[in-house]
Amino acid sequence: AQRVTQPEKLLSVFKGAPVELKCNYSYSGSPELFWYVQYSRQRLQLLLRHISRESIKGFTADLNKGETSFHLKKPFAQEEDSAMYYCALQANNLFFGTGTRLTVIP
Amino acid sequence: NAGVTQTPKFQVLKTGQSMTLQCAQDMNHNSMYWYRQDPGMGLRLIYYSASEGTTDKGEVPNGYNVSRLNKREFSLRLESAAPSQTSVYFCAGSRDFYSNQPQHFGDGTRLSIL
Repeated sequence: AQRVTQPEKLLSVFKGAPVELKCNYSYSGSPELFWYVQYSRQRLQLLLRHISRESIKGFTADLNKGETSFHLKKPFAQEEDSAMYYCALQANNLFFGTGTRLTVIP
Repeated sequence: NAGVTQTPKFQVLKTGQSMTLQCAQDMNHNSMYWYRQDPGMGLRLIYYSASEGTTDKGEVPNGYNVSRLNKREFSLRLESAAPSQTSVYFCAGSRDFYSNQPQHFGDGTRLSIL
């Protein structure tokens, strides 16, 4: 069965430090993975998708099929990155992880 | 643009009552979705509409019905509310047809069933 695991509910980093939000998945098919973000008092929105191999707001995510991971990374965290981040796997439907709340400390 | 608009924002119902959650979008979305979010769980897909005139079950459709009234509107109906349906409900949309990749979400409706 498909599953998305985000092992950290909370993550705090200092401004300027690197940040990595972890996401692991289990799926027998060919995975399509996404990151969604919800900033304070804003709506949930799509941040990036692995198939696009894009960098959005300095964030990147690489699909590692060997480790079944899709970690979200940014080399230098900014205060405005503080938000709730959800990893999602497309397998017929879109399956979401439980989310990680990132706090960037000034 | 209002984006994806959900009404109401909050609702309390008694067990057995019925109600309809409304969702409207002005982003020219072709696909629309209804999710629920429960504590400690990720969003789970209830129903979706891959294009105007079509609806399909998602992961947790039992106890719900939907209507894609037109391209802009996608409503979710609880015919006989149960306490297990207490949740936060999100409507979402995407411009892609049949993509199952929602791009924009509404603010959510917090529903409590007593």
